[in-house]
Formats: sequence, C-alpha cells, structure tokens
Amino acid sequence: AQTVTQSQPEMSVQEAETVTLSCTYDTSESNYYLFWYKQPPSRQMILVIRQEAYKQQNATENRFSVNFQKAAKSFSLKISDSQLGDTAMYFCASIQGAQKLVFGQGTRLTINP
Amino acid sequence: EAEVAQSPRYKITEKSQAVAFWCDPISGHATLYWYRQILGQGPELLVQFQDESVVDDSQLPKDRFSAERLKGVDSTLKIQPAELGDSAMYLCASSFQSTGTQYFGPGTRLLVL
Repeated sequence: AQTVTQSQPEMSVQEAETVTLSCTYDTSESNYYLFWYKQPPSRQMILVIRQEAYKQQNATENRFSVNFQKAAKSFSLKISDSQLGDTAMYFCASIQGAQKLVFGQGTRLTINP
Repeated sequence: EAEVAQSPRYKITEKSQAVAFWCDPISGHATLYWYRQILGQGPELLVQFQDESVVDDSQLPKDRFSAERLKGVDSTLKIQPAELGDSAMYLCASSFQSTGTQYFGPGTRLLVL
C-alpha cells in the first residue's frame, strides 16, 4: 500500500521568512503524481502545487516550489517570503497508477507577524 | 472559477438518526470522490465514482453508509443510523479523470450527539 509521511506535525515562522515542509512517500510505481494541498482555518482544501514523477524539473507556483528527489522518495515544499495568509494545514499527497489519492497526516504551519 | 458545491455546510444530529450530504462537482468532471476527515488528520477516501459507477468503496462502512451518483453528475452520501464516531468533516472532490488533480468542496461538518 502506498504511504505518505509528513514528519513535522507543526511549524512556526515569522512573516517574510522562508519555510520548508518535508514529505516522504513510498511507491513501487514508475508513474505517479505528487501534490501539496493547503487547508486554511476555513477548512476548504486548496491545491498548492502538483508534480509529475516523470518530470525532472521541480514544479514552481509563484512563492511555492518543490524539491522533488525521486531516488530518495522525497517531496518537500518551500514557501518563500511567507505571508500571514499562508497559515494553514499543509497536506502532502500522492496518487500512483490507478490507485487512490493518499494523504499524509499534515503539517500545521503558523506564520507569525 | 468553477467550484465543487456541497450542502449542508454544518449538520448536527443525534445518534441513530439518518443524515444525507449532497455534492455537485465541477461541470465536466467525470470522477467524484467522498472523503472523511477526522480533525487534525488527512482525508481518507470513502468512495470514488467514475460517472455513475462506483470504482472504489473499499473503505465505506456499508452497513450504515451509502452513496449514489444516479445520473453521473451530483452525488449523495447517506449515513443511517449515525453513530458518535461519525462526527467528522465530509469532503467531496472531483477531477476530470481519475489521475487528474482533485478539486475539493468546502465540506460538511457533521456532529453526532
């Protein structure tokens, strides 16, 4: 069974700092997709960034970027110039082949003013 | 921008009562998902539809939960009878295809007393 592990239950940084959230996953597939989702206190899950495993280039989306280390099965999210609105639960997730989307346990990120 | 709609947003019920949740996916999305999210944890898939057909309901407690998507568009998730342990957030998501990015609705928060 596929698994996704987030080893940081909580993180806290000051506004404008850079923060990196960690994620590791387990897979036996060659074709899979990785995601970071954000769930603010209002609770709606929002896609932050998506990475296709066959792409070597790390995905970026404005202030959000990933460090995809395929051999190490690592998929970390970097948030640059953090803002108060980045405060949320962040979930790493993967979907492999025809299997279901599996989420990690989440990292609660707090951006302090 | 198209969004996944869910109703109600909040539901309080007594144990042994029946409850139902409704979801309207993004137009054109063939795949629809129902997830349960316990507070502080990642979502877990309950059921996945491809059009009107169930693709995966392996984690759905079928003695009390049922889900349908009769015309392959909107969907209803029912719990009968509700138990105290069913208190959670129920999220609906949709995607254009089964390996595509999933877009989530705002969820229904259920409290069983």
